Amino acid sequence: DVKVTQSSRYLVKRTGEKVFLECVQDMDHENMFWYRQDPGLGLRLIYFSYDVKMKEKGDIPEGYSVSREKKERFSLILESASTNQTSMYLCASSFPLYGTVNHYGYTFGSGTRLTVV
Amino acid sequence: KNEVEQSPQNLTAQEGEFITINCSYSVGISALHWLQQHPGGGIVSLFMLSSGKKKHGRLIATINIQEKHSSLHITASHPRDSAVYICAAPSGNQFYFGTGTSLTVIP
Repeated sequence: DVKVTQSSRYLVKRTGEKVFLECVQDMDHENMFWYRQDPGLGLRLIYFSYDVKMKEKGDIPEGYSVSREKKERFSLILESASTNQTSMYLCASSFPLYGTVNHYGYTFGSGTRLTVV
Repeated sequence: KNEVEQSPQNLTAQEGEFITINCSYSVGISALHWLQQHPGGGIVSLFMLSSGKKKHGRLIATINIQEKHSSLHITASHPRDSAVYICAAPSGNQFYFGTGTSLTVIP
């Protein structure tokens, strides 16, 4: 089974701290994504990456940065955490499905619930 | 602008009821995904479908590509079906997500 592993399930940080959320996938997927999920707003894309050292802004990149130094690891960085970044953060990777054209499978991590106080 | 619209946002049902969740999308896609998220956060993929209907146990998903509409049905609902159900429309290798339907099944 493909696994996407997020390093922490629950995290509490103080305002102004630098926060690292780590995501690792074990199936050599090229595409990786970071989302945040808030009640009533659903999943919103923060950043994504198509390959090592490549990154693209999603819909809500402000206040975040990312790092992809190795294919299997995609890190989300909150440079200076703020209370409005309290949320559930989900990492995912996607892969083209064998024998199909433009059909992608998608695997999520179990999420990190971040609280900024 | 929401590329994917889901309804209803919240749904409460009695155990045994037949449940329908709807999803409409505006992006051009070749397949649509239904996801399930249980309390605690983890998301699992239920279905990926590009035409017609798929069935897995008590879950049935249908899609009409021409009308850009999909439905997820749960027959003989059970409290363990309580979760958030999310439809996701891939466009290229990105996904657009509905806001989710929070389902509570009461014993």
